[in-house]
Amino acid sequence: NAGVTQTPKFQVLKTGQSMTLQCAQDMNHEYMSWYRQDPGMGLRLIHYSVGAGITDQGEVPNGYNVSRSTTEDFPLRLLSAAPSQTSVYFCASSYSTDRGDYGYTFGSGTRLTVV
Amino acid sequence: GQNIDQPTEMTATEGAIVQINCTYQTSGFNGLFWYQQHAGEAPTFLSYNVLDGLEEKGRFSSFLSRSKGYSYLLLKELQMKDSASYLCAVRLGSARQLTFGSGTQLTVLP
Repeated sequence: NAGVTQTPKFQVLKTGQSMTLQCAQDMNHEYMSWYRQDPGMGLRLIHYSVGAGITDQGEVPNGYNVSRSTTEDFPLRLLSAAPSQTSVYFCASSYSTDRGDYGYTFGSGTRLTVV
Repeated sequence: GQNIDQPTEMTATEGAIVQINCTYQTSGFNGLFWYQQHAGEAPTFLSYNVLDGLEEKGRFSSFLSRSKGYSYLLLKELQMKDSASYLCAVRLGSARQLTFGSGTQLTVLP
């Protein structure tokens, strides 16, 4: 059971370049989300999805797009990279049942530097 | 809006007990989570409180008072490996997304 897999682990981009951060989970979780983590600011929600075909914006969505064509995959696209997007990006998935909430499972993160 | 406050840093001694506080000011509160994050790694789930009271899991316990907007994470018999950042996160309403505090960096000294 791989859990949540993020690729790449490290990436350096030049200003203006675009790229896609990949996220895949094999736990059949309906909920997936993307966060960025910056020093002193905690984790901030970029976009989230409550199921295939459904996405919505979080706290800091500008400059990012997402799609959810399957339950397993939730890629994050940077449209035109800016130095302000230098951060560590985490993908997370979760599920709940009538018996309780099982919290988030996070991927190992992608460390992105935009120069 | 939401406001979640935690101390930035704490230091404790191996074998001791430490309490990490979290206060929140939110509307539509529907659960509080604690996560542990070691340097350079992903956060891992520690505990979940939705009702008032204490939840115990081995050396870790978490307490919630909804009327006071207050939670704490209690770590007993501290070990060096407990040195990490501890993140408090709040869920609102029926939504699944979490709002995180900035985290408390705990350093355990020998």
